[in-house]
Order: sequence, then C-alpha cells, then structure tokens
Amino acid sequence: EDQVTQSPEALRLQEGESSSLNCSYTVSGLRGLFWYRQDPGKGPEFLFTLYSAGEEKEKERLKATLTKKESFLHITAPKPEDSATYLCAVQRDYGGATNKLIFGTGTLLAVQP
Amino acid sequence: DVKVTQSSRYLVKRTGEKVFLECVQDMDHENMFWYRQDPGLGLRLIYFSYDVKMKEKGDIPEGYSVSREKKERFSLILESASTNQTSMYLCASYPRGAENIQYFGAGTRLSVL
Repeated sequence: EDQVTQSPEALRLQEGESSSLNCSYTVSGLRGLFWYRQDPGKGPEFLFTLYSAGEEKEKERLKATLTKKESFLHITAPKPEDSATYLCAVQRDYGGATNKLIFGTGTLLAVQP
Repeated sequence: DVKVTQSSRYLVKRTGEKVFLECVQDMDHENMFWYRQDPGLGLRLIYFSYDVKMKEKGDIPEGYSVSREKKERFSLILESASTNQTSMYLCASYPRGAENIQYFGAGTRLSVL
C-alpha cells in the first residue's frame, strides 16, 4: 500500500537553529515528490518538486533532497516567518493519465524569536 | 497569479441537509480536485475531474458527489450531511500536461451539527 510518513509531527526551533524535516515513502513507480507549505487558515502552497534520487532544490532558507526512500526538507537559520505546517506528497505512476497525489500528515514547525 | 476561489470560508449545516461547496479557478485548468483535511489524517482525495463533465472517485468518495458543468467550476455535494463530514475541505487545480503542481484554494471549514 502506498504510504507517506512525515516526522516529526511537530518541531519547535529557536530562530537561527537549523534542522531537518523527514518524509519517508513507500510507493511503486514514483513520479515525483512534492513539498508544500500551509499557513493556518490557508490552503497549501507549492514549494518544490523532486523527481529522482540525488536531486536537490533550494529556495531561500529551505533545501529539499531526495533519496530512494525518503526526502528531507532542511531549514537553515530559520526565522519566525518560516513557522507553518510543511506537507510532503508523492505522485505515483498509475499507468494512465491519472495524476493523484498522496499526502503525508505534515510537520508543524514553530520558530520562536 | 493562479487563483482558486472557494465560495465559503466557514459553513455550519444540520445533519441531513444537502450541502454544496463551490470552487472556481481562473486559469483554464483541466484538472480539479476536492480533498478533505483532518488532524492526524492529512489531505485525503475525495473526487477529481480531468475535464468538463468528467469525474473520477478518489480515495474516500462515499457520501459525496461532484459536478463539473463548466471548466472553471467544480462543485462538491454532500447529499445528506452527517457529523463525520465535519472537516476542512480544500479544492485544487492544475493544467493538463503540466507538472502536478496543484494550486489550492483557502479551504472551507464545514461543521455539521
């Protein structure tokens, strides 16, 4: 069964304290792994897509990496405005035109000043 | 900027009522999705549509139906609302042939009493 597991469920950091969020997955025929950010009361907002093991992408203080079994979202020197829930999702190859995403339950990040 | 608009931010309905949740996107996207988001369960796909009048069941379609009469509008219908349908409902869209980068609306928080 396809599964996406994110850890930790919640993470509290001091401003400037770097850390990583984990997304592990079991899916056959991975077509892409996606990271989204969700602020309270809002819909998820796209951050990154990774397609193959070894791939990395960066945006400001965030860097996403991908292996064959998991992805990490590294946060370097976070600021309070980085506080949000970070969602991971995978797209599986269903052998057709269907492009569904399977989401993890998210990591709630709180960055304190 | 892509805009996905959900007609209501908050709704309160009674058990047994028929409920309509509306979603409109302004970027001519073929693919549209309805999810529900619950604590500890993440985003779960209810229904999706890849073109006008086309629809496919997601992972949890029971108790729901959808309508896609126009390309820009995707409606979620709760035929007879029940308390276990109290949730945050999110609509998303993306264009055919593009990366599966889904653009989300702000969500509708539905309470069924």
